[in-house]
Amino acid sequence: GAVVSQHPSRVICKSGTSVKIECRSLDFQATTMFWYRQFPKQSLMLMATSNEGSKATYEQGVEKDKFLINHASLTLSTLTVTSAHPEDSSFYICSARGVLGEAFFGQGTRLTVV
Amino acid sequence: DAKTTQPNSMESNEEEPVHLPCNHSTISGTDYIHWYRQLPSQGPEYVIHGLTSNVNNRMASLAIAEDRKSSTLILHRATLRDAAVYYCILRDLNNQAGTALIFGKGTTLSVSS
Repeated sequence: GAVVSQHPSRVICKSGTSVKIECRSLDFQATTMFWYRQFPKQSLMLMATSNEGSKATYEQGVEKDKFLINHASLTLSTLTVTSAHPEDSSFYICSARGVLGEAFFGQGTRLTVV
Repeated sequence: DAKTTQPNSMESNEEEPVHLPCNHSTISGTDYIHWYRQLPSQGPEYVIHGLTSNVNNRMASLAIAEDRKSSTLILHRATLRDAAVYYCILRDLNNQAGTALIFGKGTTLSVSS
């Protein structure tokens, strides 16, 4: 089946620094990718929809200047957490839709801000 | 997308069948029933989906009620690796390509040896 690869799987950063997370569709082209955030013991919360070649669409309450999304090619979307704070520590997951509409998910990135 | 209701948690023993229920009383005629699961510290993975008829694949079976207001995911022989959170999600046939899956709380399945 189709594979979505996310990198890194874990990252620890200092408060105030920025962290970039990559999401790649390995064997298919994805014009649309999605970014989720998941806090411990909670479900996935959609943060934004990433569209290739255009601006991302953010969910209500998600700061677009803090969570920068770039979808420069049909196989790569990146999420940059800028000026990270401890409350940004979470599990970040990307997803891409296959040609039949099925959803494929990355392995997730565990971000810890210290 | 229409709402689904699942029990918060279920327990099973290894090698026994598991029936995970999902209620979706407001389902529309064009809603597909999708099941995903999330193993600890991993992204969700697709399990199965269906529209009206029961479906089988290598991972599970999906039994859909005749009125489509409920469905049951069946794991025929649970293993320890099946311990995960299982999500039942409805997706409109006409709205699949460009929109994200919206996750509820799901059912946390525990499997004991």
